[in-house]
Amino acid sequence: EDQVTQSPEALRLQEGESSSLNCSYTVSGLRGLFWYRQDPGKGPEFLFTLYSAGEEKEKERLKATLTKKESFLHITAPKPEDSATYLCAVNNAGNMLTFGGGTRLMVKP
Amino acid sequence: NAGVTQTPKFRILKIGQSMTLQCTQDMNHNYMYWYRQDPGMGLKLIYYSVGAGITDKGEVPNGYNVSRSTTEDFPLRLELAAPSQTSVYFCASSGRANYGYTFGSGTRLTVV
Repeated sequence: EDQVTQSPEALRLQEGESSSLNCSYTVSGLRGLFWYRQDPGKGPEFLFTLYSAGEEKEKERLKATLTKKESFLHITAPKPEDSATYLCAVNNAGNMLTFGGGTRLMVKP
Repeated sequence: NAGVTQTPKFRILKIGQSMTLQCTQDMNHNYMYWYRQDPGMGLKLIYYSVGAGITDKGEVPNGYNVSRSTTEDFPLRLELAAPSQTSVYFCASSGRANYGYTFGSGTRLTVV
């Protein structure tokens, strides 16, 4: 059974304080690892897909990396508008995702 | 471009009542999904569809039913609502296998 564990559950940062969110996974035959951002009261918004170990993708202050066992979402010099819950998910076959519980990020000005 | 539209946004049901959650997308996506999200539990797949006329069960299908008569619409039916079905329900779509999903804004359902 596929498993996705995200840590920490919650993270408080000061504006400009860089950090990383972790996504550990167990999957039989990874076909893709996905990162989403979710704001309160809204649906998840797609950020990145990583397909193989060593791959990296960037978007503004966010950078996602992938190894054979985990993925990191690095946040560089975060701003208050980066506050949200970040979700990680894996796809092993077909197009069904298994999601982690998320990391709630709070960035204080 | 509306993307994925879900209705209603909020609903309160009494135990034993039934209802249909509506989902429609205007992106001509073949793949559509229903998830439920409980606090701290992540998103759980209820049902999915890979095209009109084709549906299949996900991880937590009990108490729910779906149909897919058109590419655009993927309604979720709750029969005999139970308190355990209190949750936030999200519909999503994807244009191709293994691509990122587009989610709707969700339906918050409370069963009392």
